[in-house]
Amino acid sequence: DTGVSQDPRHKITKRGQNVTFRCDPISEHNRLYWYRQTLGQGPEFLTYFQNEAQLEKSRLLSDRFSAERPKGSFSTLEIQRTEQGDSAMYLCASSPGGDTQYFGPGTRLTVL
Amino acid sequence: AQSVTQLGSHVSVSEGALVLLRCNYSSSVPPYLFWYVQYPNQGLQLLLKYTSAATLVKGINGFEAEFKKSETSFHLTKPSAHMSDAAEYFCAVSDRQLRGKLIFGQGTELSVKP
Repeated sequence: DTGVSQDPRHKITKRGQNVTFRCDPISEHNRLYWYRQTLGQGPEFLTYFQNEAQLEKSRLLSDRFSAERPKGSFSTLEIQRTEQGDSAMYLCASSPGGDTQYFGPGTRLTVL
Repeated sequence: AQSVTQLGSHVSVSEGALVLLRCNYSSSVPPYLFWYVQYPNQGLQLLLKYTSAATLVKGINGFEAEFKKSETSFHLTKPSAHMSDAAEYFCAVSDRQLRGKLIFGQGTELSVKP
């Protein structure tokens, strides 16, 4: 059990560019969650996968955001045409299907 | 809708003093409740959870929390603060209707003075 990993840990981009983040969950965890955390706030739910199926998306997830989880393993979160308001920490968590979620270290995005 | 309110965005205690971080929740169904800790530039680590078993829950690092349904509270305590406890603490609620997704409070930053 190596824990949830996320890549990259930090990303600096210019407004209007596209960025993609990757999350590798704990092996055999069938649930995967993405959250966004802005400075001084608690994490906010973005989207949820059960295996490869995306079962729920928050209203925070505008049409510039897309997430995938091919084959029910790793997941990617893409942001198109980034805006300064997208600057945040993006957290990934996985769960074996019970009530506990295990979080990765996060990807900090800075949009200039 | 489920929600969490953490009273006090900043709490400062002296080393060795009691730590009390307050959390109140709102939920239309029996909730699952969690406390997570976050160190700077890191992800969240689970401290403890309540899932309808014992109302007094013990977690890691000497922390514990008590579920009080009548007060809709789930306050986090530690008898004696250590310098290494300085971090951001988040209370969160979840239930089956949320597909397990967590609703977090805004967090409480704990400072520990020597």
